Amino acid sequence: GAGVSQSPSNKVTEKGKDVELRCDPISGHTALYWYRQSLGQGLEFLIYFQGNSAPDKSGLPSDRFSAERTGGSVSTLTIQRTQQEDSAVYLCASSLFFGEKLFFGSGTQLSVL
Amino acid sequence: GDSVTQMEGPVTLSEEAFLTINCTYTATGYPSLFWYVQYPGEGLQLLLKATKADDKGSNKGFEATYRKETTSFHLEKGSVQVSDSAVYFCALSRGNNAGNMLTFGGGTRLMVKP
Repeated sequence: GAGVSQSPSNKVTEKGKDVELRCDPISGHTALYWYRQSLGQGLEFLIYFQGNSAPDKSGLPSDRFSAERTGGSVSTLTIQRTQQEDSAVYLCASSLFFGEKLFFGSGTQLSVL
Repeated sequence: GDSVTQMEGPVTLSEEAFLTINCTYTATGYPSLFWYVQYPGEGLQLLLKATKADDKGSNKGFEATYRKETTSFHLEKGSVQVSDSAVYFCALSRGNNAGNMLTFGGGTRLMVKP
């Protein structure tokens, strides 16, 4: 597609449920990032993929968070046993290579009730 | 660790008013500084950047100067338009490319009234 696509755009879930957030990066982009934007907070780095290398998971807030990137393209961020503090906008970004300009998706608004 | 602090919004201005959004940072060494903008319903976009002290980034009438002595990177525009209504994020990076891991400020919502 023309830009980074994320789905769903909005997700409401109950505390304790698992959720999956999807990101389709720009075709050909080798680097993919997940960020989180919590209410009243700045954007927080979560995880980063570069090609087929092992992802940089240094930003994941807990072991309930995990992410995969299949075939070097689509990525899924999974949050298990969601908590209310997980409520945030989850942003995905991609770049042609690591260090190049980032292109962001519109985000997924996650609300945990 | 690194941090970025922005003025809280919303900032409400009339069209053609002068805009300043303050941004200060805390970091060791010489980070690169960025402003990102998020228009309603869209993803973040890089607005401008500066990679070393005294550099001025500019784009679409917006400017910001990298001030190491005051650790600031304030965003300015001489005459805002309704179409500038958006959320603006100040950010820093250890590298000099926009793709490196970024530390963002909390964002400032700008509302411009006709």
